[in-house]
Amino acid sequence: NAGVTQTPKFQVLKTGQSMTLQCAQDMNHEYMSWYRQDPGMGLRLIHYSVGAGITDQGEVPNGYNVSRSTTEDFPLRLLSAAPSQTSVYFCASSYSGTQNAEQYFGPGTRLTVT
Amino acid sequence: AQSVAQPEDQVNVAEGNPLTVKCTYSVSGNPYLFWYVQYPNRGLQFLLKYITGDNLVKGSYGFEAEFNKSQTSFHLKKPSALVSDSALYFCAVREAGGGNKLTFGTGTQLKVEL
Repeated sequence: NAGVTQTPKFQVLKTGQSMTLQCAQDMNHEYMSWYRQDPGMGLRLIHYSVGAGITDQGEVPNGYNVSRSTTEDFPLRLLSAAPSQTSVYFCASSYSGTQNAEQYFGPGTRLTVT
Repeated sequence: AQSVAQPEDQVNVAEGNPLTVKCTYSVSGNPYLFWYVQYPNRGLQFLLKYITGDNLVKGSYGFEAEFNKSQTSFHLKKPSALVSDSALYFCAVREAGGGNKLTFGTGTQLKVEL
């Protein structure tokens, strides 16, 4: 199993540009989520999904969109990039929406917005 | 609202000595508690979790954590530290029955020196 994969690893955007961060998992996990990691702030939940066709907002959803058309994929879209979105983005999945399930994380995407 | 506090930004310990990384939490009901480790330029890896039952939880790489309900703490411990344990450690909490949101602490950098 490849686990959770993310592309790209690095990305530089100009303010106002849009892009999609890709996330895929091959573990047949129902639950997937997106976090951003900023120094001194830990990880903050952006959006999550409990299954194909179902998504919901997390703690910091503004400026981001998600969709879940398949169990495997959970892309994160930045609509109009802003410098405040410079961060490291992690995708994670778990085998169910059960609250005691541990999450498996991808390697991250480091995004810089200039 | 649920929250997690990791009071130490950095913990330094000599190799072979015991280590403790502190975590306290706040939830309205019963907690599900997790520890994750992050090595440089990598995603988070699951170490251990507390769901219910025995207050002492054993996890990967010789780590363990003790759940203390009265002190609302879940400190990570290891009897004998290794240089290879040097990494960033995150505590996380989810309230049982409280939804899908997993709240992370800000992280503690562990440095194990020879």
